[in-house]
Amino acid sequence: QKEVEQNSGPLSVPEGAIASLNCTYSDRGSQSFFWYRQYSGKSPELIMFIYSNGDKEDGRFTAQLNKASQYVSLLIRDSQPSDSATYLCAVNGAGNMLTFGGGTRLMVKP
Amino acid sequence: ETGVTQTPRHLVMGMTNKKSLKCEQHLGHNAMYWYKQSAKKPLELMFVYNFKEQTENNSVPSRFSPECPNSSHLFLHLHTLQPEDSALYLCASSQDGGLAGEQFFGPGTRLTVL
Repeated sequence: QKEVEQNSGPLSVPEGAIASLNCTYSDRGSQSFFWYRQYSGKSPELIMFIYSNGDKEDGRFTAQLNKASQYVSLLIRDSQPSDSATYLCAVNGAGNMLTFGGGTRLMVKP
Repeated sequence: ETGVTQTPRHLVMGMTNKKSLKCEQHLGHNAMYWYKQSAKKPLELMFVYNFKEQTENNSVPSRFSPECPNSSHLFLHLHTLQPEDSALYLCASSQDGGLAGEQFFGPGTRLTVL
C-alpha cells in the first residue's frame, strides 16, 4: 500500500514569514513529486513539481526533495494571507497515477 | 467553456435513486480520472481512463459505474448509494506523455446521499 503522509495542521504563520510544509512517502520507487494547492470549496491546482534531489525554486515557492529520506517539502517565502489554503502532496510511482496525502491546512495571519 | 467542467455542481439523492455525474474536458487531453474527496481523508483515485480505455479501477464498489464514450467526456453512474458515499467527486484530466502528475481538476460535484 503506497502511502503519502502529511501533518494535517493547521499550520499558522504570520504574514511575511516562511511557511514550511512537509511530506513523507513510503514507495521508494516513486519518480516524481507534486504540490497541489486547494482553496476551501475549490478544486486542487498544481503549483510545483520536482523530480530530482535538491531544491527547485519558482517565485516564492521552493520544493525540496530527499529521496534517500523519502521526504519532500514546500517552502513558501513572504507568506501572504492569500496563501491560506490546504496544500496536497502527491507522488507519482509509474505512468500517470498519483497518490495524494491528506493535505496540510496553512493559515497566514495578517 | 474552458478547462474541465462538471455537472451538476451539487446533487442530493436518496439511496434508491439512480443519477449520473458528467465531466467534460476542453484541453485536448487523453487521460481522465474520477476522484472521491471525503472530509478528513486523502483524495482517493477511483477510476482512470487512457485513450477511452479503463486502466485502473481502484477497488471501487459496483454501485459506481464509469463510462468514457470519448476522450473528452467522462460519466460516473450512481445507483443504490449509501450515506457514506456522500463526498466531493472530482474529475481530472491530463495529457498522457506530458508532465506525469500534472492533472487539471474540475470544480467537483458535491454529493449528499440521504
